[in-house]
Parts: sequence; structure tokens; C-alpha cells
Amino acid sequence: DADVTQTPRNRITKTGKRIMLECSQTKGHDRMYWYRQDPGLGLRLIYYSFDVKDINKGEISDGYSVSRQAQAKFSLSLESAIPNQTALYFCATSDFRGTEAFFGQGTRLTVV
Amino acid sequence: AQKVTQAQTEISVVEKEDVTLDCVYETRDTTYYLFWYKQPPSGELVFLIRRNSFDEQNEISGRYSWNFQKSTSSFNFTITASQVVDSAVYFCALKGGNTGKLIFGQGTTLQVKP
Repeated sequence: DADVTQTPRNRITKTGKRIMLECSQTKGHDRMYWYRQDPGLGLRLIYYSFDVKDINKGEISDGYSVSRQAQAKFSLSLESAIPNQTALYFCATSDFRGTEAFFGQGTRLTVV
Repeated sequence: AQKVTQAQTEISVVEKEDVTLDCVYETRDTTYYLFWYKQPPSGELVFLIRRNSFDEQNEISGRYSWNFQKSTSSFNFTITASQVVDSAVYFCALKGGNTGKLIFGQGTTLQVKP
């Protein structure tokens, strides 16, 4: 089993729908991150969390929210999906030193 | 501000050619880490290497090598005798501070033709 698991792997949703992307990890890491990948832009940070009670905005948090339900779980929500949120989404974890990131397999989201 | 620039958007080579992927970074941190990741067509991110700012030794791993030069703020990646399986998008990334946040370059798409 993967250390960092994202569900679903692929999702097509309609404009205006609420959708949640889930991430769970078995690394025992405190730090978790959500990134978004767009062609030609690399990966950009949406939100990150250092522990269950800590949530921080990243570079592109507008239109997104997150929930850290437990040390091992970090969910990303799109309250009202729009087409320009079509992208590949990655969850990542790191230990307290933050010197290495472990990525999930990615979730390909299409908003039509 | 921190920034990573991969000026080469796409590179196409013929199998067995050597190819170098460029990465230039900006940071005011004195301690930082640089990374390379490979993203094959299947989409996952594969970790290739991590380098800290105090270690400027070049690294070689099989056909892969990395040249880190603080004087030019560059961390270039060379594939020797490229193979079709090297075809992928390659990302350079920077981590400064203690948040663990990664700043990614735009990525370079490498196509290796048989």
C-alpha cells in the first residue's frame, strides 16, 4: 500500500457542485500539504497543516477549503467547483524537519 | 521571495543523446534544499534527488548527474545516454525555511525518441 493515498484518483464533476478530495497517510508525519498542478505552471501550494489544529493558506487558497480530521487525514474541498479548477491535485506529507516530501499518486479533477 | 525557473519548456532528443535540464533558483535563505522530481505519463511524482545548500558536491547516480552551483544559483540535471523511458516531465523544486513548503519550477517536458 502507498504511504500517501489519495481518493478519488479521477473525478469529473459539474460546475457548482461541492467536491471533496481525500488524503490519508501512514508515514506518521505531522505535516500535510495540498498542491495543484497546471500545465506550464508546475505545482502550487493550496493549503498546508502542521498538526490537527493548524491550517495555513498557501499560494492559491481562494475557492478551496481544507479539513484536518486526524494526523493521518487531510481533505481538500471545492465548495462550488468551477472549470478553471480543472487540474491535477497532489497531497504530500513531511516530517517535522520538512526536508523531504512524500507525494500521493494525484487526483485528476475535471470540472465541466 | 523564493522562485524556481526552468526555462526549457520542452526538449526533444534522440535516444542515446545526452541532455541537460536547467534549473535556476532564487532565495534569501542561507539554508535551503533543492529537489528534482520526475513525472512520467502515468502522473505520479517520483523523487530523484535532494541537495542541501551546504553541499555543493556534484552527484552521480547511474545515468543521472546533478551539478549544483551556488555562485550561479543553478541546480542542473543531466541524463547521459538518454532512453525512451526517460520521457517525462521533470520538476526542480526549492524548500527554504522550516515550513516544508516546496516551490516548484514550471517543469520541463523531455521527449526521447527512439
